[in-house]
This record gives sequence, structure tokens and C-alpha cells, in this order.
Amino acid sequence: DTAVSQTPKYLVTQMGNDKSIKCEQNLGHDTMYWYKQDSKKFLKIMFSYNNKELIINETVPNRFSPKSPDKAHLNLHINSLELGDSAVYFCASNRGQQETQYFGPGTRLLVL
Amino acid sequence: AQSVTQLDSQVPVFEEAPVELRCNYSSSVSVYLFWYVQYPNQGLQLLLKYLSGSTLVKGINGFEAEFNKSQTSFHLRKPSVHISDTAEYFCAVSRSGGYQKVTFGTGTKLQVIP
Repeated sequence: DTAVSQTPKYLVTQMGNDKSIKCEQNLGHDTMYWYKQDSKKFLKIMFSYNNKELIINETVPNRFSPKSPDKAHLNLHINSLELGDSAVYFCASNRGQQETQYFGPGTRLLVL
Repeated sequence: AQSVTQLDSQVPVFEEAPVELRCNYSSSVSVYLFWYVQYPNQGLQLLLKYLSGSTLVKGINGFEAEFNKSQTSFHLRKPSVHISDTAEYFCAVSRSGGYQKVTFGTGTKLQVIP
């Protein structure tokens, strides 16, 4: 049973394209997150949703748009992809702020 | 705003030797502290966390960490490492109360040498 799943696992695309990454959690958690991990392993939060409402929105280009159709899903759409968007994107979820975050396996995005 | 510093980007250690991975944080308010581990090509998983109470926290896989408020540190230790402990280790901090983001350190790569 996969707790936090992401699709696709790998994504290779051309600059300028639009792509989406999907995340689903079956843990019954209320809060979900998107993180970006760069080539130096630096992990930075991008967005957080609680019960489908946006609660954290870091300084992220507006080409990135999260969408939460229900509290078990948090998708990330990226418009006009740039070379610098190449990274591993992790989805995570938890019950509340001090609770353990459960991470998905990551989506490795390569923009050519 | 809070911040986390992991001074060591890489720590090589022989198998069965003890290890300490250092973490210092900066915050003007009460914090929660976490250590996560990332094995190659995987997501992060929690090793241990400090919310309140006892300053010595025990986690999975034989790891423990001690919260030191005066030194603003939360160093991770293991008395005897295994090859399987080779991974990237991330210290993280969040302010307590309400919806607060978790800030991760830059990670320490633990390389266990057979």
C-alpha cells in the first residue's frame, strides 16, 4: 500500500512546454505539500494546502500553479518550463504541523 | 524566520564506528526540530523529532538526538553505524503554533566505509 504516490516518476521535456505532476495520499491527512530539491540536494518548500485551502505559498514563479481537487490530492502544474525548473519535486503530507511528514518517491523533472 | 545550518556536507565514517551529524538552528521563538533521512533515489523519511519534554530523543534505526536550547543545537548520533546507514540526512525546524512551514538544512551525506 503506497502512502504517498506521485506520477510520473520521471519527466523529460522541452523548454517552453507545460506539464503536470500528480500527488495522492491515502493516509487521511489534512495537509499536503510540494517541495523542490535541486541538484545540490537543497530542499525548499513551494506550497502547502490544508483541507484544499492554500496555506503556504513561498516565493515561487506564477508559472507554478498547485491545485487540490480534494484533500487526498495535490497536483502541480508548470507552465512555460525553463531549464532551471529541472529538479526533483517531492509531495508530502501530514496530519498537522508538528506531525511527521510522509514523502512521496519524487518526480525527477529534466527540462532540455 | 527560522533557519537551519548543517555545517558538514559530507561525513565519512568506518562501519561500526560512532557518528555525530551536527545541526544548529536559529529562531527567536519555540521550535519543533526534526531529522529526516533520504536514501538514494527515494523520498525523505522521519528518523526522529523533538516537540517538547525530554531533550534526548530516540528515533528509528538506533539514532538519537539531543536538543540543546542554550547552544541552539540538535545533533544526531549513532553509536555504531552500518553500511545501510549510507544516505543523506536532513535537519529541519519549524516554529511552533499554527501553520508554520518546515525549513530544511542543506543536508549531510553520511558515507559509511566498510
